Amino acid sequence: QEPLQESGPGLVKPSETLSLTCSVSGGSINSFFWSWIRQPPGKGLEWIGHTFYSGTTNYNPSLKSRVAMSIDTSKNQVSLKLNSVTAADTAVYFCARSRYCSNNICYDSPNYFGPWGQGTLVTVSS
Amino acid sequence: QSVLTQPPSASGTPGQRVTISCSGSNSNIGRNAVNWYQQLPGTAPKLLIYTNNQRPSAVPDRFSGSKSGTSASLAVSGLQSEDEADYYCAAWDDSLNGVLFGGGTKLTVL
Repeated sequence: QEPLQESGPGLVKPSETLSLTCSVSGGSINSFFWSWIRQPPGKGLEWIGHTFYSGTTNYNPSLKSRVAMSIDTSKNQVSLKLNSVTAADTAVYFCARSRYCSNNICYDSPNYFGPWGQGTLVTVSS
Repeated sequence: QSVLTQPPSASGTPGQRVTISCSGSNSNIGRNAVNWYQQLPGTAPKLLIYTNNQRPSAVPDRFSGSKSGTSASLAVSGLQSEDEADYYCAAWDDSLNGVLFGGGTKLTVL
């Protein structure tokens, strides 16, 4: 079983909300930041944001008004919601484990991503 | 448009040494660690270099990273056909309070 697995609808209508889940297997979901990163077809990577079990989040300023991330520790899942989607939100969405934190000390840098999920393609179209 | 600037392409022949640059500013590379990611065709990216020049244990020592001022570089020595991939640099930006990725460099092995 892959350590990270994204799931959710592959097709979302314009103006609606994109909702994805990342299922985490193995390890403690409480000890790491968890990130979402997307990649439009044929283009580069874009960081969407990251979240910690305590509720701490940071979002890409360009998406901040539309995005929300959360962690369900009982299900070992990380969720992403992006509202008011347009065709520009069509992309492969990846979840990735990020920096390790313990006792209020974080190790590695916020740009540390590994492992990654395999990614899931979300198309925004009517 | 990425604030971290990479050349869109790079190439080399088998056995050669190739470098890929990543240029930023004081708010990102100048103050924070640079990581590099390798994305083979059709797959998810993989961590290649972290904290400027550290390699995860599974990454061959043909890959090396360096940083000077507001620029960073990834070097691939002894180029192999399986190194053909897209390479991305990434750094935290203190002004944006977020992670920036470079635009990516497509490495072709001739």
